[in-house]
Amino acid sequence: SQKIEQNSEALNIQEGKTATLTCNYTNYSPAYLQWYRQDPGRGPVFLLLIRENEKEKRKERLKVTFDTTLKQSLFHITASQPADSATYLCALGGGNKLVFGAGTILRVKS
Amino acid sequence: EAGVAQSPRYKIIEKRQSVAFWCNPISGHATLYWYQQILGQGPKLLIQFQNNGVVDDSQLPKDRFSAERLKGVDSTLKIQPAKLEDSAVYLCASSPLGGYSGNTIYFGEGSWLTVV
Repeated sequence: SQKIEQNSEALNIQEGKTATLTCNYTNYSPAYLQWYRQDPGRGPVFLLLIRENEKEKRKERLKVTFDTTLKQSLFHITASQPADSATYLCALGGGNKLVFGAGTILRVKS
Repeated sequence: EAGVAQSPRYKIIEKRQSVAFWCNPISGHATLYWYQQILGQGPKLLIQFQNNGVVDDSQLPKDRFSAERLKGVDSTLKIQPAKLEDSAVYLCASSPLGGYSGNTIYFGEGSWLTVV
């Protein structure tokens, strides 16, 4: 069955460093992958989309890579700030379906 | 632009009681979704509407959950009778016509349900 794995352990980093979050998947060939941010008590907010024929996407301090051979996406936040602290969800899409991972908690300390 | 509106925000009920959640999507969005998010897990799709027709309800526990979208705008999600394992956040979301084909999905703040 389809499986999406995100770091279950929270990622703690120092302000100014680059945060790297991982999304691995098995038994799935997504047409695209999305990353969302979710703050406590709030709904997820869309950040970035990357399609299967794209290697990398950037938006301001955010960068996403998509390796369909490794079945992995990496999500980077450069020059991280305490305001970046949140849960980050990856979601795999295709065939009119979108499946979410459980998310990784990021904590940026000043 | 107004976002996805949901109510109530919080609800506590006893098991075997019923509850209903309401959602008003972003104006003009044809596709509406209801997700269930259990603490520590990602959102799980319960039902997807395109206008007022059901596109996917394969993960909706139809013996206790029901949803409708009248006139292709507002939607309600009902649970009857509730079980303890239904305690979760119920997220409504919407997207422009085309549903999942890479379109951004816009989520509401969620309705928190606790079943005791």
